[in-house]
Amino acid sequence: AQSVTQPDIHITVSEGASLELRCNYSYGATPYLFWYVQSPGQGLQLLLKYFSGDTLVQGIKGFEAEFKRSQSSFNLRKPSVHWSDAAEYFCAVGTASKLTFGTGTRLQVTL
Amino acid sequence: GAVVSQHPSWVICKSGTSVKIECRSLDFQATTMFWYRQFPKQSLMLMATSNEGSKATYEQGVEKDKFLINHASLTLSTLTVTSAHPEDSSFYICSASSGGIQETQYFGPGTRLLVL
Repeated sequence: AQSVTQPDIHITVSEGASLELRCNYSYGATPYLFWYVQSPGQGLQLLLKYFSGDTLVQGIKGFEAEFKRSQSSFNLRKPSVHWSDAAEYFCAVGTASKLTFGTGTRLQVTL
Repeated sequence: GAVVSQHPSWVICKSGTSVKIECRSLDFQATTMFWYRQFPKQSLMLMATSNEGSKATYEQGVEKDKFLINHASLTLSTLTVTSAHPEDSSFYICSASSGGIQETQYFGPGTRLLVL
């Protein structure tokens, strides 16, 4: 069975600081991995995805994520956080026919 | 590209009534649509998967007679919450995919349902 763990429920960073959100997965085959962001009361927006190839994936809004098979991780990073990045971030594993989401990490940005 | 809309964005209804939520893919053909439910401060729970022209596949524990799903065209799926009760109040989100194992699910903005 596939599963996703996001160990951090809530993270607070200062604007301009770097960010790393953790994601660990369990999947029986080659994983397809995703990061989505959800603003309050909104649906999910795709930030980036990994299917194969280069393990460092670039996404929108200056985000990137690195797939590390040996650690079963797909952590999301951003070098300099903006106040508008405050939102809920979800990591997901699976395919287009079945996605399993983590429980999410709420990011708070202080000015 | 890959825009998914939902209507309505908010709905308040009385207990016992039925509510229909529409999910549309605006700029692509969605062979598969998904319906999720999200409780406050929790993750998304997949309710059902629907393929155009076929019956929906429901996840374990989801009442198919309670949550009727129709996917009559490649751009439209509907979720009808029948005889709604206060415990059905939630945030319902749909997503759509054009198919293929490497395709992505694109999400709608969600519909907040409040049953009084």
